[in-house]
Amino acid sequence: AQSVAQPEDQVNVAEGNPLTVKCTYSVSGNPYLFWYVQYPNRGLQFLLKYITGDNLVKGSYGFEAEFNKSQTSFHLKKPSALVSDSALYFCAVRDFPSGGYQKVTFGTGTKLQVIP
Amino acid sequence: EAQVTQNPRYLITVTGKKLTVTCSQNMNHEYMSWYRQDPGLGLRQIYYSMNVEVTDKGDVPEGYKVSRKEKRNFPLILESPSPNQTSLYFCASSLRGQGDTIYFGEGSWLTVV
Repeated sequence: AQSVAQPEDQVNVAEGNPLTVKCTYSVSGNPYLFWYVQYPNRGLQFLLKYITGDNLVKGSYGFEAEFNKSQTSFHLKKPSALVSDSALYFCAVRDFPSGGYQKVTFGTGTKLQVIP
Repeated sequence: EAQVTQNPRYLITVTGKKLTVTCSQNMNHEYMSWYRQDPGLGLRQIYYSMNVEVTDKGDVPEGYKVSRKEKRNFPLILESPSPNQTSLYFCASSLRGQGDTIYFGEGSWLTVV
């Protein structure tokens, strides 16, 4: 069974400092990995995804993520945090379909607090 | 504008009173799904559909029903709601599967008293 772990419920970072939100995964095949952001009272917005190719993926709002197959990780990063980045971040994995199975598993979310 | 639309956005209902949360997408997506979001549990998949008339259970299907009679619509039905179904619900869609980006609706807050 596939799974996603976000080990930190909350991450605090000072504005202007680099940020990292951690995600590890477990799948039986090749993973498709996603990061989403949720602002208060809103739906989830897509940030970036890894399908194949370059391990460093660049996405929206200056975010990037690094796929590490040996460590089964897909950490979200940004070189310089903004107060407006404060939100809830979700990592998700979609396993390579076998027989058309299309389950998507989300992590429990990490609240990012950027301190002015 | 490409979007996933779900209604109602907010609903308070009583135990046992059947309700339907509608979901519609205008992107001609084949894949649609429903999630519930609960504190500390993240998003959990309720049901998904890979195309018209093709649906399957997710992680937490108990107490829910779905149907996919048209490609654009994927309603979530609570036949006899109970208080433990109080949650924030999201409808989502993607073109097909695999690496396709998943698009979410704005969410429906459901309270069952």
